[in-house]
Amino acid sequence: SQQGEEDPQALSIQEGENATMNCSYKTSINNLQWYRQNSGRGLVHLILIRSNEREKHSGRLRVTLDTSKKSSSLLITASRAADTASYFCATDEISGTYKYIFGTGTRLKVLA
Amino acid sequence: NAGVTQTPKFQVLKTGQSMTLQCAQDMNHNSMYWYRQDPGMGLRLIYYSASEGTTDKGEVPNGYNVSRLNKREFSLRLESAAPSQTSVYFCASRGQGAGTEAFFGQGTRLTVV
Repeated sequence: SQQGEEDPQALSIQEGENATMNCSYKTSINNLQWYRQNSGRGLVHLILIRSNEREKHSGRLRVTLDTSKKSSSLLITASRAADTASYFCATDEISGTYKYIFGTGTRLKVLA
Repeated sequence: NAGVTQTPKFQVLKTGQSMTLQCAQDMNHNSMYWYRQDPGMGLRLIYYSASEGTTDKGEVPNGYNVSRLNKREFSLRLESAAPSQTSVYFCASRGQGAGTEAFFGQGTRLTVV
């Protein structure tokens, strides 16, 4: 089974609304990263949050991390039609194996 | 810089045929990965190579083999293709250490009939 489970699996919102997606993971981690994928293309890195951080911002992105609950959330504010994509979390396990596991993803659709 | 280059982009195989997917990166990264993505699903790790000369199994290694030919190249081989291996395959690379971002190739769409 996969390390990360995203929730919801799919999300449809209107342009201008905020989109929140969540990621839960199973093992202790060094950091967690969020990626975006457009239409089956390769993933593109969005933001990294380290295990000793609780919140991080980058432009319209806000990421939180709760290591006690083994969960993270990605908030996209003031969404645009161009934000339509799939979003995945990925984790580096604290064991340092270099194994890099992705979650199941959230498919976001922003309606113009 | 080309980043991560995968070949081929598309491939159709008959059941039982073999093939090798090629991946090369020009970023001097130590770690390389092979993932598969089934329709509407996330990425599942097949194999990875933390550094030149080492390879390890990921989540779904059965039916695949890999070779880390040198620091630049990491190939994935299907010895006897099965319809269940129909998928999009992505290669990725990362620099040294945890916390580095992964860079992805454009993917190989493989259909096994």
